[in-house]
Formats: sequence, C-alpha cells, structure tokens
Amino acid sequence: KAGVTQTPRYLIKTRGQQVTLSCSPISGHRSVSWYQQTPGQGLQFLFEYFSETQRNKGNFPGRFSGRQFSNSRSEMNVSTLELGDSALYLCASSRGDRADTQYFGPGTRLTVL
Amino acid sequence: GESVGLHLPTLSVQEGDNSIINCAYSNSASDYFIWYKQESGKGPQFIIDIRSNMDKRQGQRVTVLLNKTVKHLSLQIAATQPGDSAVYFCADHLTDSWGKFQFGAGTQVVVTP
Repeated sequence: KAGVTQTPRYLIKTRGQQVTLSCSPISGHRSVSWYQQTPGQGLQFLFEYFSETQRNKGNFPGRFSGRQFSNSRSEMNVSTLELGDSALYLCASSRGDRADTQYFGPGTRLTVL
Repeated sequence: GESVGLHLPTLSVQEGDNSIINCAYSNSASDYFIWYKQESGKGPQFIIDIRSNMDKRQGQRVTVLLNKTVKHLSLQIAATQPGDSAVYFCADHLTDSWGKFQFGAGTQVVVTP
C-alpha cells in the first residue's frame, strides 16, 4: 500500500506571497491532519479534515487554511507569507476514528525569504 | 497548558545496548499514545502505540510502558543498532479531540559503535 505523499517536497517563497501544499493520504484513509514542524516549536497541529469537513483546528492565524476533496486529498494554503512561516509542513493520514493511528508523509520544506 | 515533554534532549548509546527514552505528559485525559522515529529529511515514522487501558505493549525490539499514575511513557529499544539513530517523539491524543496529537520536543538518539 502506498504511503502518504506530499508535493512539492521543497518550496522557496518570498514574504507576502502565498503558497499551496498538497497531501494525498493512504488509500482508504479519510482523515488528513496537518502539522507545522520548526526547531523552536516542534510539531504543532494546524487542522484536521475528514470527509471534506474541518473537524479540528489548532492555534494558528487565519492566514493558514485548508481544504479536502472528495477523494480525501487535502491542500493547505498559507497567504501573506512571513519569515516565521519557514518550516517543515507535515500531513498525516488516518482512517478517521477519534483516536486513530496517524501516518506521516515526508513533508514539504518551505523557506520564506 | 497541556504539554508532552521529553526528559533528555540527547541520548548516546553504544551499539548493542538497550535504550530507554522517557516522556512525560500532563493531561490525564490523554487516551492514546504513539512513539515516532524521525530521521533527517524524513517525516515521522510510526514505531509503536499504546492505549490508556494498557500499561505495556511490545513490538519487534521495542517496548512501550505507560504509567498513568505519574503520567509517564517510555520507549525501550533492545539491542540498539546504528539504524536506530534518529529523533524520537512521543505523541498523545486527548479524548474527544479529532485528529490532533500533541508532540514532545523529541530526543536525539545517537548510536556509537
């Protein structure tokens, strides 16, 4: 079974731009969670989608948004990029039960200049 | 606030020895715990999990122990190998939370020959 895939793997953007990251979950998984990983803050939860609906949201500003499609693929968008948004963005997929094992993708490394 | 923390940032262990990585969590409502391994440039990889109704679970060369009384979790790796060198994270799930895990800061395990 193929694992979680994320595209692109690397991105370089400048301040003020916006970016869209994509995540394809494991086949049969309907939940996608997004995390931001930085050296200073570690892994921080952004949001979770299931069946095209956001069920949970972390403490990030509204510049961070996401969506999920009917095939369970998910995208996250960051608008008006700031230097502090430089991070590894990870998505994790699961079947969708409340306490379910999450499997991570390789991440997208975003650098904001 | 709630947090999942690791006691030691770096653990050096000799090849062939056993490793023990510790983790403290603060929320008694945590109902599910996962240990992940993250190698450089990769996403977190699932190692082993344990539910709050258990106190021990064994996998291949790994054992997780859960002490709910003192809110402590540990990962034991038997006969540590060079390929075990990585950062290890514990993550906990809060009851009634959809798709959100809280992660510890991580422990860097360095295996020396």
